[in-house]
Amino acid sequence: GAGVSQSPRYKVAKRGQDVALRCDPISGHVSLFWYQQALGQGPEFLTYFQNEAQLDKSGLPSDRFFAERPEGSVSTLKIQRTQQEDSAVYLCASSIGQGGGQPQHFGDGTRLSIL
Amino acid sequence: GNSVTQMEGPVTLSEEAFLTINCTYTATGYPSLFWYVQYPGEGLQLLLKATKADDKGSNKGFEATYRKETTSFHLEKGSVQVSDSAVYFCALSNYGGSQGNLIFGKGTKLSVKP
Repeated sequence: GAGVSQSPRYKVAKRGQDVALRCDPISGHVSLFWYQQALGQGPEFLTYFQNEAQLDKSGLPSDRFFAERPEGSVSTLKIQRTQQEDSAVYLCASSIGQGGGQPQHFGDGTRLSIL
Repeated sequence: GNSVTQMEGPVTLSEEAFLTINCTYTATGYPSLFWYVQYPGEGLQLLLKATKADDKGSNKGFEATYRKETTSFHLEKGSVQVSDSAVYFCALSNYGGSQGNLIFGKGTKLSVKP
């Protein structure tokens, strides 16, 4: 597709369940980022991939959060044993190269609600 | 550490009014600076960027100048339209550390009335 695609758009889960969020970046984009956006706040960095390598996961809030990008394209963010504080919009972004000057292209996000 | 502070909203203006949204930053080194916009029901879109001091980014009538001496990147538009109603995010990206992840301000909601 032309842009970054995320699925599902909305996810409702009960506390304690595991969830998986998918990101399909723009074809050929080397860099992939995950962000978490709480209501009324700016997005906050979670993790970064360069191709299939996860080079930075310093933003993941706990070991319940896990991300992968096994073939350097599609990425999955998994949250185990979800808690209410995990409720947020999860954004995926990709950029064609690496480095701070590259503009990032964002998907529409997955809105996760934990009951 | 790196951080971005932008003026809190909401900001409500009449059509054709002048817009300024203030943004200041704290960063080590020489970051790139961005403004992203989020229209209702849509994802974040890059509005403009500047990668070094004194650069001016511009797009769709919006402008922002990278001011190193005041660590600022204020967004301006001379005459806003109803279609500019959105949430605006200032962001920075540093070359060191996390390979360019963005650090965002909290966002400023702009409402333009006809």
